Amino acid sequence: GNSVTQMEGPVTLSEEAFLTINCTYTATGYPSLFWYVQYPGEGLQLLLKATKADDKGSNKGFEATYRKETTSFHLEKGSVQVSDSAVYFCARNQAGTALIFGKGTTLSVSS
Amino acid sequence: DVKVTQSSRYLVKRTGEKVFLECVQDMDHENMFWYRQDPGLGLRLIYFSYDVKMKEKGDIPEGYSVSREKKERFSLILESASTNQTSMYLCASSPGTVNSPLHFGNGTRLTVT
Repeated sequence: GNSVTQMEGPVTLSEEAFLTINCTYTATGYPSLFWYVQYPGEGLQLLLKATKADDKGSNKGFEATYRKETTSFHLEKGSVQVSDSAVYFCARNQAGTALIFGKGTTLSVSS
Repeated sequence: DVKVTQSSRYLVKRTGEKVFLECVQDMDHENMFWYRQDPGLGLRLIYFSYDVKMKEKGDIPEGYSVSREKKERFSLILESASTNQTSMYLCASSPGTVNSPLHFGNGTRLTVT
């Protein structure tokens, strides 16, 4: 089964609202963790990553902290914008460099 | 910037046809990957390659094969397309180091009728 679990969407927020997208993983050992974003009509882009426990990845106002105790890597942003509307994927690595992805969470931000 | 180019944005093929999806990367990356993306299922790994002429099965290789004759090019082949292979196909590449992020192309939306 899928070893990366994301909260189901869609998530609908008003501009400037606080965002949390939950992500948990199962793995042997300590994988690297990633958040990717997919804007409409495009491929996936790396948003942020963390490679060891307690690392915090950040980019474009988004943050996620690698929590070993809870096997989680929740994505947060303090104030979302309409331009953040996209699909967000949590992922962990496996077998070296291949990634396992969650099912994706669609975020829709309205003005 | 890394550029991963997928040759077709949209493809429509008939059941039973042999289909080639092409992917080229311009950063001399060791690793290349093919995923398919379906609503409610996320991305699933079909095949990947660590080097020229090398390939490894991913989670859903049935019905697919791949070819990597040159380092920059990774082709996905549907030997006999079926309607359940209608999907968005995403190619990605990465350097040969662990923990490196994947760089994705914009995808090929394949419809099999």
